[in-house]
Formats: sequence, structure tokens, C-alpha cells
Amino acid sequence: EIVLTQSPGTLSLSPGERATLSCRASQSVPSKFLAWYQQRPGQAPRLLISGASSRAAGIPDRFSGSGSGTDFTLTISSLEPEDFAVYYCQQYVTSPWTFGQGTKVEIK
Amino acid sequence: QVQLQESGPGLVKPSETLSLTCTVSGGSINNYYWSWIRQPPGKGLEWIGYIHHSGSTNYNPSLKSRVTISIDTSKSQFSLKLTSVTAADTAVYFCARVTAPYRVNDAFHFWGQGTMVTVSS
Repeated sequence: EIVLTQSPGTLSLSPGERATLSCRASQSVPSKFLAWYQQRPGQAPRLLISGASSRAAGIPDRFSGSGSGTDFTLTISSLEPEDFAVYYCQQYVTSPWTFGQGTKVEIK
Repeated sequence: QVQLQESGPGLVKPSETLSLTCTVSGGSINNYYWSWIRQPPGKGLEWIGYIHHSGSTNYNPSLKSRVTISIDTSKSQFSLKLTSVTAADTAVYFCARVTAPYRVNDAFHFWGQGTMVTVSS
């Protein structure tokens, strides 16, 4: 099973600041099989990025993804109030599909 | 726009079977892979398994001995059964669909709103 480790656990930032979230895999994941999701309280996860760097339909361009191999990054260039949420990475190359434990982006 | 809606009992007794159904609307159930994912309160996401419209399945080994996912294409529904439940199975259960048809290795683009299932006597 591929284990995904996200860091930091919590990120305390102010609106307008840049957020950088990390996802490290226990073994190499081809870029095309890595996704990022946003989850707000009481809601289902929302797909932000697939293939490590491709934004899903309707996702603002302040969200960007990068990385390859075992290290991936989600960047939010300038935080909007609605961006304060929990973010998960997920790999879908090797079954069982697995998620990271999440990074909470909270208002400082 | 595809919509998914979970339904089923919100309370299940220990040792009994959890049964949930996901109803798909606004799109075809054919040619896609459909998954169940769960989230214990305050915790992260765990993929349970998927089913293809043909009936082929793949389960998370951690749950494989207790899980069955089935599909009824005539009703545009797929279902989850989890046997011998314990308190550790208390979670919000989501159904989800991948982005593109025919692709098993794909991200989850469409999600149901989730349904809370509590295991308690």
C-alpha cells in the first residue's frame, strides 16, 4: 500500500497569503495518478487537481499543483476566505487507492 | 451534471450488516467506475472499493473480507454491504465517480453529499 504523508498538519495563514502544502509518497507515484481535494466542514471533498497539475473544471487558477516521483505540492497563490479548509492528496496508481491524512489551512 | 445520493440506515447495531445505496442521476451509470469512500468523525478518507457497470469489483484489502459492492444498472444504483460492523465502522460514507469513462485509474470528480452511519447498540 502506498502511504501518503502530508505536511504540515495545520497551516495558519491570513487571507491574501500564499499557502504551500506538501504530500510525500512512500514509493514513486507517476504524476498522472496524483490528485488534490478540498474539503470544507460538513461537505464532501471537491476535486481540485488531477494528474498532479491539471485543474479540474471550474477551479480557480490560484490553485496549482506540481511535483513528481515521491514529492508533490499544492500551492494556493493568494488565500481567499473560502479556501480555509482541509486538503487531501490521493494516489490512484496502485490499489488500494490511498489518501494523505490531510492538511488544515486555518485563518491566522 | 451528474448527481449522486447516498441512502440507508443511519444507525446499525454492532455485529450486524451496514447497507447503503447510491443513486445516480443526470448521467449514465454505464462505462464508469463507482466507488465507496468513508470518513470517521474528525479523521481522514478511506477508499472502500469500486465497481464497474459490468459488475467487476476491487476492494481495499483492509475491508475485503467484510465488503460487497453490487450494481443495478436498470435503477442507476450501486450498493455497499459491510458485515460484522463495530464502532470502528462509524463514519460518513460517500459514493463517488471517477472523472472519465473507461478509466479505473482516475480521480474522483463527482461525490455524493455523504451519509453518517453510527454503529451502536
